[in-house]
Amino acid sequence: ELKVEQNPLFLSMQEGKNYTIYCNYSTTSDRLYWYRQDPGKSLESLFVLLSNGAVKQEGRLMASLDTKARLSTLHITAAVHDLSATYFCAVPLKGGATNKLIFGTGTLLAVQP
Amino acid sequence: NAGVMQNPRHLVRRRGQEARLRCSPMKGHSHVYWYRQLPEEGLKFMVYLQKENIIDESGMPKERFSAEFPKEGPSILRIQQVVRGDSAAYFCASSRTGANTEAFFGQGTRLTVV
Repeated sequence: ELKVEQNPLFLSMQEGKNYTIYCNYSTTSDRLYWYRQDPGKSLESLFVLLSNGAVKQEGRLMASLDTKARLSTLHITAAVHDLSATYFCAVPLKGGATNKLIFGTGTLLAVQP
Repeated sequence: NAGVMQNPRHLVRRRGQEARLRCSPMKGHSHVYWYRQLPEEGLKFMVYLQKENIIDESGMPKERFSAEFPKEGPSILRIQQVVRGDSAAYFCASSRTGANTEAFFGQGTRLTVV
């Protein structure tokens, strides 16, 4: 059974600081998604990581994927208040041969001024 | 090109009533997925449908829940005789193919059972 775990579950950080959110998954997959969710809203797609070693950056966020370690990271650089949200990683079941996603538990990020 | 459309956005039902949630996929998408998000939790897969077929319903409760995606019209998630524990956000996603393509999410329907 595919399990996806994120840590930390809650992250309070000051503006201007850097931090990393980790996403571990239990079975083989060469594809991983990161989403952002604001309270009461839907999921906004942030990154689609399609292969081992993939690295993508958008603004202050950078995501990477290590399929051998079954680990993805979401790195936040010089956080700003607007980044406050819940971040989810998701892995397709059967390693990408399906679009059925297993989601991590989420990381609630609170950026304090 | 409109995104995935869900309605209603908010739905309040009394215990024992039926809830019907609708999802119109993106244009050109024939694969639909329903997920449920309980408060303070991540999304959990419920069911995957293609036009007129249920492909995978392994995440859907065996009783009171059903889903369809007819040839014409939106996909419907139906919950009969709702209970308080059904209160959640229900998200629909659609994709162009059944594998290796990104699925896009709708705004969700927030069901409250009173």
